[in-house]
Amino acid sequence: DTAVSQTPKYLVTQMGNDKSIKCEQNLGHDTMYWYKQDSKKFLKIMFSYNNKELIINETVPNRFSPKSPDKAHLNLHINSLELGDSAVYFCASSQAGGPTDTQYFGPGTRLTVL
Amino acid sequence: GQNIDQPTEMTATEGAIVQINCTYQTSGFNGLFWYQQHAGEAPTFLSYNVLDGLEEKGRFSSFLSRSKGYSYLLLKELQMKDSASYLCAVRDGNYQLIWGAGTKLIIKP
Repeated sequence: DTAVSQTPKYLVTQMGNDKSIKCEQNLGHDTMYWYKQDSKKFLKIMFSYNNKELIINETVPNRFSPKSPDKAHLNLHINSLELGDSAVYFCASSQAGGPTDTQYFGPGTRLTVL
Repeated sequence: GQNIDQPTEMTATEGAIVQINCTYQTSGFNGLFWYQQHAGEAPTFLSYNVLDGLEEKGRFSSFLSRSKGYSYLLLKELQMKDSASYLCAVRDGNYQLIWGAGTKLIIKP
C-alpha cells in the first residue's frame, strides 16, 4: 500500500564505490523527483522526470545519473562516491497539471560515505 | 534570485497556538505549500494556498497574501506530536518548487 517507496533505507559505503537507490510510486503519477537533504535539513532538487523524460537537471555532479525505465520508477545511480555525498536522498512524485500538483515523498535513503 | 525565509527554530507550549511565518521572493507564483517533516522521516503535505486568504484544515490553518509575498501556518491546540520541522515551498512562474530551509518547532509540556 506504500505510495512512494525507496530502497535501501540505509546505505553505508566507502569512498570511490558506485551505488544505486531505487524508487517506485504506485500513485499513477507522471512526474518523479530526486531530492538531496543535507545535515542542515535543506531540501535541494536534483532531478525531475515527466513520463520518463528528464525535465529538471539541477547543477549536480555528473557522477549522479538518474534512470527512469517507466513512469512509475526513477532510480538514482551514483559513481565514485565522495564524503560530501553523505545525506538523505528523497524520491517524490506528483501529477503534473493536477489541481495542486502536490509532491508526495518516499521515506528517504540515508547515505553515509566513509 | 529566488528566496524563501522562515525562522530557523520556534518553541511553544503544549495546548497553545503557534504561528510560523514564511516570506518569499520568486519569479512568478503558482501556489504555496506547507509540509511537515518529523526527524528522520519524509516531508508530508499539510496545505496548499494559491489564492489570498485562510485555508483551515482541522487544527492547522494556512494563510496567504500574494501582494506581500507572505504566508503563515497556524497550529492550534498544540500536541507533543507536532514537534517537527515545517517547510514552506513556493511554486514559481516556471512551475518549479522552491523550498525554504524549514522551521524546527519544539513543543514543551
